[in-house]
Amino acid sequence: GAVVSQHPSRVICKSGTSVKIECRSLDFQATTMFWYRQFPKQSLMLMATSNEGSKATYEQGVEKDKFLINHASLTLSTLTVTSAHPEDSSFYICSASAGTKNGYTFGSGTRLTVV
Amino acid sequence: AQSVTQLGSHVSVSEGALVLLRCNYSSSVPPYLFWYVQYPNQGLQLLLKYTTGATLVKGINGFEAEFKKSETSFHLTKPSAHMSDAAEYFCALGEYGNKLVFGAGTILRVKS
Repeated sequence: GAVVSQHPSRVICKSGTSVKIECRSLDFQATTMFWYRQFPKQSLMLMATSNEGSKATYEQGVEKDKFLINHASLTLSTLTVTSAHPEDSSFYICSASAGTKNGYTFGSGTRLTVV
Repeated sequence: AQSVTQLGSHVSVSEGALVLLRCNYSSSVPPYLFWYVQYPNQGLQLLLKYTTGATLVKGINGFEAEFKKSETSFHLTKPSAHMSDAAEYFCALGEYGNKLVFGAGTILRVKS
């Protein structure tokens, strides 16, 4: 089945630094990739949608200059949290899709802690 | 607007008992519906999906769900709960533009 690899699974960084999270579809070409943020005991909040070769579409309230998304190929998308602050600490999950009917495959998530 | 409502943020069942997790949706177009399971500190794993065709959908780990258009529901069931089923379950609706709309999630607890 479809597999999405997300790295790192856990990262601790200092305030003011930037962190890059990678999301790779291993055995299929993802026309669209999604980035979610999940707060404790809550559902997933969609941050942005990215299509290969084009700019990401951010959801309302998500700072595009803070959460940089690059979708360089049909198998790789990256999320960079710039100038991280403690309030950015969260669980970030990516998802890749080859079309709604084909479903969505999720990465294993990244636990970001900013100290 | 499309939406997903999961009734019951927490469900508790005894091991061996029936599992029923409720999901209702609102959509102006024929929906694509999904159930995902999430274990602590992990991503989401697809249990099953409904796109078109047979309304009773069988998934992994013995789960199944029935799409009922008249009731706008897509409830998830499993005849006999196992301890390993304890997790959080999300119902989701495929939205126009290739997005997923998630319900708030239901935490399933299985008692021995």
